[in-house]
Amino acid sequence: DIQMTQSPASLSASVGDRVTITCRASQSVSSYLNWYQQKPGKAPKLLIYDASSLESGVPSRFSGSGSGTEFTLTISSLQPEDFASYYCQQSYSIPLTFGGGTKVEIK
Amino acid sequence: QLQLQESGPGLMKPSETLSLTCTVSGGSISSGSYYWGWIRQPPGKGLEWIGSMYYTETYYNPSLESRVTISVDTSKKQFSLKLRSVTAADTAVYYCARHYNWKYPFDYWGQGILVTVSS
Repeated sequence: DIQMTQSPASLSASVGDRVTITCRASQSVSSYLNWYQQKPGKAPKLLIYDASSLESGVPSRFSGSGSGTEFTLTISSLQPEDFASYYCQQSYSIPLTFGGGTKVEIK
Repeated sequence: QLQLQESGPGLMKPSETLSLTCTVSGGSISSGSYYWGWIRQPPGKGLEWIGSMYYTETYYNPSLESRVTISVDTSKKQFSLKLRSVTAADTAVYYCARHYNWKYPFDYWGQGILVTVSS
């Protein structure tokens, strides 16, 4: 199985801050890396697919980069509605696996 | 707009078989190249893929494969999850979701259903 490790597990930030979350794969997943946002009591929502492609309707302040084993999700200017948990997921091989999540909290 | 809705029991006893159904509306479950999958999330924890199916092909997480069956009823626009011999460790929110194929993300999700296993 490909292990996905996210860092940090949590972070505190203020509105307007630039936030970066890292996801590392235990082996190369090429660019088959997706990012989801999850708010309490809700299903995950797709933000980024193929490492850097923005899902339709997702604000442009979200961006993704990386390939191989190291990936980042960046929120260029944190908005109040962005306080949530974020998960990476590899779709390179079965079993599909997710990172442990990063909780973005209000400072 | 495609919508997915999970249904099933919210409370179960250890050793029972969990049966959940996902009803698809606003689109077809039998056309195109879509895979239909199940993902779960224990309270306060991360996400775990359980398995997916495409037409008659099924793919399971090896960690659960011995206890899981996923099936589809295209006439009812539903696909189902059965998880045998549940324990407290199977307590989780269970989500159904769609993905285009293995290399694509889960683009549509159900709202999730909490299943608690307790004696």
